[in-house]
Amino acid sequence: GQQLNQSPQSMFIQEGEDVSMNCTSSSIFNTWLWYKQDPGEGPVLLIALYKAGELTSNGRLTAQFGITRKDSFLNISASIPSDVGIYFCAALGGRNTPLVFGKGTRLSVIA
Amino acid sequence: KAGVTQTPRYLIKTRGQQVTLSCSPISGHRSVSWYQQTPGQGLQFLFEYFSETQRNKGNFPGRFSGRQFSNSRSEMNVSTLELGDSALYLCASSSRLTMNTEAFFGQGTRLTVV
Repeated sequence: GQQLNQSPQSMFIQEGEDVSMNCTSSSIFNTWLWYKQDPGEGPVLLIALYKAGELTSNGRLTAQFGITRKDSFLNISASIPSDVGIYFCAALGGRNTPLVFGKGTRLSVIA
Repeated sequence: KAGVTQTPRYLIKTRGQQVTLSCSPISGHRSVSWYQQTPGQGLQFLFEYFSETQRNKGNFPGRFSGRQFSNSRSEMNVSTLELGDSALYLCASSSRLTMNTEAFFGQGTRLTVV
């Protein structure tokens, strides 16, 4: 089935540093979504991408839909302590297919 | 606009029992998907309901079932609970009427099987 390979699995960074994570797949997708999950809570949608090559920002977050439609990346600039959490990529192949998820990137920020 | 509501937030059950979880999607959304989240396996897709019909199904045993009502509220049921069913169960709501669709999650139900 469709799988998303998300990397890195975890990151420890200093406050103020920039962060980059990505998701790749052998399958083509029409939508890429990025979520953040805090402990014990449901994932919260950060950014949605709908067109190949699309670059979208949400505050300090920037995400891009890869031109091949098989990958996406998320950048966080000038990280702060509240960025701590697990970030998930998710992708949708077609209107009648389920959303598939990467295994997540656990981000820790050291003040 | 209210978000996705899942009830209950926490549940403790014993092996062999059954459990029913509830999800109320965002008003106007007709699609509800269910996911199981465990530390080792990430988010595993259970099933999706759209307009009261199961549209997609993941690779879970028949003990896991679901349904959707005419008001789009959905329930999932797990029968003959096993210790390995302990997880955070999440539901996601989306309109699914166009390709440009986003999914919004509830806070989840934390199920502990003892």
